[in-house]
Amino acid sequence: NAGVTQTPKFQVLKTGQSMTLQCAQDMNHNSMYWYRQDPGMGLRLIYYSASEGTTDKGEVPNGYNVSRLNKREFSLRLESAAPSQTSVYFCASSEITVNQPQHFGDGTRLSIL
Amino acid sequence: KNEVEQSPQNLTAQEGEFITINCSYSVGISALHWLQQHPGGGIVSLFMLSSGKKKHGRLIATINIQEKHSSLHITASHPRDSAVYICAVSPRTDKLIFGTGTRLQVFP
Repeated sequence: NAGVTQTPKFQVLKTGQSMTLQCAQDMNHNSMYWYRQDPGMGLRLIYYSASEGTTDKGEVPNGYNVSRLNKREFSLRLESAAPSQTSVYFCASSEITVNQPQHFGDGTRLSIL
Repeated sequence: KNEVEQSPQNLTAQEGEFITINCSYSVGISALHWLQQHPGGGIVSLFMLSSGKKKHGRLIATINIQEKHSSLHITASHPRDSAVYICAVSPRTDKLIFGTGTRLQVFP
């Protein structure tokens, strides 16, 4: 059971570089999420997609864009990376957005120099 | 003040001890989640509950909606229970609000 697969697992970027974090789920879930996790803080929602074809901003969307490519895939793009975006990024999915457990990927550890 | 507060932040126990982790929240919710984050970083959903109590193996989660409080108990703790335990709530909108986690270390 693959569940939620994130790539890459680790990445180091220089300030100003761009990159896309990939996420795919094989559970036929409608809803997908991108979070960031920083020391001493709870997971914070960057963007989410309630269903295929829709995306919405979360708590901390600035500096990021997302694409819900199809029902399986939800990517997160950093157009011009900044040191403040150094974090661990988690993708998650759930059947629907309300009152459903979320299934998480293993995370991407991203460092911006 | 955070909308979801967990206590303690750090917890150390000897193998076999009974563990309690607490979660208090300040918003109206439709459900509360307990998650486990392994030392390697992966996050697993343990429980989702909206009332009463749920049990899975040595883990028990309880919630008191009136008091806006939940507890996660681990009976007969084991070193493999060492992890960060995260409480999250589903307010009546659709996005989860997460606590900052409780780091548990269980020593043999």
